[in-house]
Amino acid sequence: GENVEQHPSTLSVQEGDSAVIKCTYSDSASNYFPWYKQELGKRPQLIIDIRSNVGEKKDQRIAVTLNKTAKHFSLHITETQPEDSAVYFCAASMGVGEDDMRFGAGTRLTVKP
Amino acid sequence: ETGVTQTPRHLVMGMTNKKSLKCEQHLGHNAMYWYKQSAKKPLELMFVYNFKEQTENNSVPSRFSPECPNSSHLFLHLHTLQPEDSALYLCASSQVRTGGGYTFGSGTRLTVV
Repeated sequence: GENVEQHPSTLSVQEGDSAVIKCTYSDSASNYFPWYKQELGKRPQLIIDIRSNVGEKKDQRIAVTLNKTAKHFSLHITETQPEDSAVYFCAASMGVGEDDMRFGAGTRLTVKP
Repeated sequence: ETGVTQTPRHLVMGMTNKKSLKCEQHLGHNAMYWYKQSAKKPLELMFVYNFKEQTENNSVPSRFSPECPNSSHLFLHLHTLQPEDSALYLCASSQVRTGGGYTFGSGTRLTVV
């Protein structure tokens, strides 16, 4: 089955700096890669996703890149703000909504004002 | 509301008690999931139901018993739990093969005393 690894486990940046979180996956058949943000005491929420036919996707300050050959994908947050502080989870699955999705172990991002 | 509702939000139970967690989704999804979230394993998949049929049991102890009477409702029956079962239990749903990623409920914070 799919195995998703996520690094780093914790990340601390100064407000305004960029943050990058990286994930690798094992199953070359995976073709859908979402990212979830979980604020303290709240549920995980989908913030951005990418499918295998695209190499990069951007939504305002967040972007995700995908390298299918190397089987890794990354989340980039620019101009970080204190409200970006949360745990971020990457995931991989065979398709959108498929019941085989596997999550990484999470990255706790702290943005210092 | 998120579209996925979990009750209760908090539960304290003794090791000899029997209790049930409830999840209801109002999104018309056809797959539902139980996850356990703790400091050790941030998003640990427990059970998967696809069209009401259990398609995955991720080596979960028998003291956890899931029930999915229809595509909108999912239960997790608990009995003779251990203190190490204390965690946040998250329910999620998705529409297999179409639609966006998983939608999570707010979780039930379980404490076993």
